[in-house]
Amino acid sequence: NAGVTQTPKFQVLKTGQSMTLQCAQDMNHEYMSWYRQDPGMGLRLIHYSVGAGITDQGEVPNGYNVSRSTTEDFPLRLLSAAPSQTSVYFCASSYGRGQKYTQYFGPGTRLTVL
Amino acid sequence: EDQVTQSPEALRLQEGESSSLNCSYTVSGLRGLFWYRQDPGKGPEFLFTLYSAGEEKEKERLKATLTKKESFLHITAPKPEDSATYLCAVPSGSARQLTFGSGTQLTVLP
Repeated sequence: NAGVTQTPKFQVLKTGQSMTLQCAQDMNHEYMSWYRQDPGMGLRLIHYSVGAGITDQGEVPNGYNVSRSTTEDFPLRLLSAAPSQTSVYFCASSYGRGQKYTQYFGPGTRLTVL
Repeated sequence: EDQVTQSPEALRLQEGESSSLNCSYTVSGLRGLFWYRQDPGKGPEFLFTLYSAGEEKEKERLKATLTKKESFLHITAPKPEDSATYLCAVPSGSARQLTFGSGTQLTVLP
């Protein structure tokens, strides 16, 4: 299994540009999520999905869109990039059954918005 | 609101010098506590899950313990390859969302 994969690994955008961060998992996990990691602030949840066709907002959803058309893929869209969205983005997935679950993280996408 | 606080923010140890990292939490009904290791430029790597006070888990030089208010990650005789940022997190909201602490950056000097 490849686990959780993310592309691209690095990206530079200009203010106002849009882009999609890709995330895929091959573990048949129901639950997928997106976090951003900023210095001194830890990992913060952006959006999450409990299954195909179902998404919900996390702690910091503004400026981001998600969709979940398949179990495997959970892309994150930046609609109009702003310098405040400069961060490292991580996708994670887990089983969604019961209380005993573990979230597995991808390698991250480092995004710079100029 | 669920909160997770880790201390210290940074810790420098000599190789072989044992120590502990702290993770204190405030949650309405603990449904588990997770420890992750994160190397520079990589995603968090799962280490342990603890579910109830008194529970302990070990992996090589690491041992995680849990009380009703905090968790400790004990590092025994650390090696330079143990250098990393250690993160703890608790489930919140729907129980599949994680609230993370800011992490402890551990440096083990040879």
